[in-house]
Amino acid sequence: KQEVTQIPAALSVPEGENLVLNCSFTDSAIYNLQWFRQDPGKGLTSLLLIQSSQREQTSGRLNASLDKSSGRSTLYIAASQPGDSATYLCAVSSGNTPLVFGKGTRLSVIA
Amino acid sequence: SAVISQKPSRDICQRGTSLTIQCQVDSQVTMMFWYRQQPGQSLTLIATANQGSEATYESGFVIDKFPISRPNLTFSTLTVSNMSPEDSSIYLCSVGTGISFYGYTFGSGTRLTVV
Repeated sequence: KQEVTQIPAALSVPEGENLVLNCSFTDSAIYNLQWFRQDPGKGLTSLLLIQSSQREQTSGRLNASLDKSSGRSTLYIAASQPGDSATYLCAVSSGNTPLVFGKGTRLSVIA
Repeated sequence: SAVISQKPSRDICQRGTSLTIQCQVDSQVTMMFWYRQQPGQSLTLIATANQGSEATYESGFVIDKFPISRPNLTFSTLTVSNMSPEDSSIYLCSVGTGISFYGYTFGSGTRLTVV
């Protein structure tokens, strides 16, 4: 059974700092990995999707990497801003099956 | 990628009543997924809704409590029946279209409070 772990559970940083969120999964036979952002009480916004054959994806200040063989992914946020404060969720898919989610990292960026 | 309209966005309900949540997708999709997110927790899959067949429920979730309809390829409903305060959660629907390129898309969520 696939399990996804995210570290740290919570993170507080000053504005402008670069930061890394970590995600690990137990079964490397994944189809793709997706990072989401969730604001309090809201739905999920997809940030980045990495297919199993890819090593990384970039969108603006966000960069996600994937090391499928070791079961790890990182989300790098450059020059953090208070508007980046949210919960970040990592999820993996094994084909046309439901996503398996980690418990998330709750990020606070302090002005 | 698909766009999902989920209603209602939030509701406060009396215990013992039922609430039906709707998800409308702007394109045809084979499978839709319903998730629950309890306060402070991550997402837990309730069931997978396939058009033209019964929904497939995950362990711990039953049809009598969470009946699902899937009348066509763009629409689904989830009903939370005979509610108790423990049902207070965010409920989300999700679809995967062109999964390889777009991954999964989620509705905006329904924040349910049972009093």
